[in-house]
Amino acid sequence: SAVISQKPSRDICQRGTSLTIQCQVDSQVTMMFWYRQQPGQSLTLIATANQGSEATYESGFVIDKFPISRPNLTFSTLTVSNMSPEDSSIYLCSVVGTANGYTFGSGTRLTVV
Amino acid sequence: GENVEQHPSTLSVQEGDSAVIKCTYSDSASNYFPWYKQELGKRPQLIIDIRSNVGEKKDQRIAVTLNKTAKHFSLHITETQPEDSAVYFCAAGGGAQKLVFGQGTRLTINP
Repeated sequence: SAVISQKPSRDICQRGTSLTIQCQVDSQVTMMFWYRQQPGQSLTLIATANQGSEATYESGFVIDKFPISRPNLTFSTLTVSNMSPEDSSIYLCSVVGTANGYTFGSGTRLTVV
Repeated sequence: GENVEQHPSTLSVQEGDSAVIKCTYSDSASNYFPWYKQELGKRPQLIIDIRSNVGEKKDQRIAVTLNKTAKHFSLHITETQPEDSAVYFCAAGGGAQKLVFGQGTRLTINP
C-alpha cells in the first residue's frame, strides 16, 4: 500500500494565523482526501483534492477557510486559515492505494490558543 | 449522500470473549466497506475490508459480514486480547470515491 509522509506532526498556533499541512505520497495517486478528526470524534471529510482541478469541498467546509493545493500526483497541502480554538483537531490526509485500500498519513495534531 | 451509523459507541468484553460491532449505511451505491482500528494518538489502520460482491470475509480472529439487502455490515472479533482495545471505525464508499465513517466504537478488553 501507499506510504504517506505528513507534516508537521503537531503544532500549537495563535488564533488568527494560518497553518499549512503537507502530504507526500510515495506513488502517484489520482485522488487525495483531507479529513478532520475532532477530539474523541470520528473522521469527517473536508475535501477531495484532484490533480489539475479545484478541490471538491464537503458541506460545511469552504475554500477560503481550507484552501488546498494539488500540484502533482504525489503531493498535496491543506491550509487552515484564520484559525480559532474550534479548529483544534487532528488533520489527516488519505489516499486510495491498491485494491481500493485507503491509507492515512500519520496526522497533524493542531492546537489553537 | 451516504450516512453511516455505528453501534455501540462503547463496548466492554472479557478477554477471550467475542466482540461484535454493527454498522448500517444509506447509499445503495456504496460497494466498499472497510474497518479501521485507531489506537490512542495514532492514525487509523485498516484491519479488514469487504466488497459488495462478498457476504463474508475472515482474517484470523477478525471477520466482517455484509448484508447488502439490509444495508448493514458487522465486525466480529473472536478470542479477544488486551491489544484489541482501541477505537474501531466502520466506513462505506464506492470504488475510488470518498469514505464516510461511522461514529466509532471504543472497545475495551478486560483481563
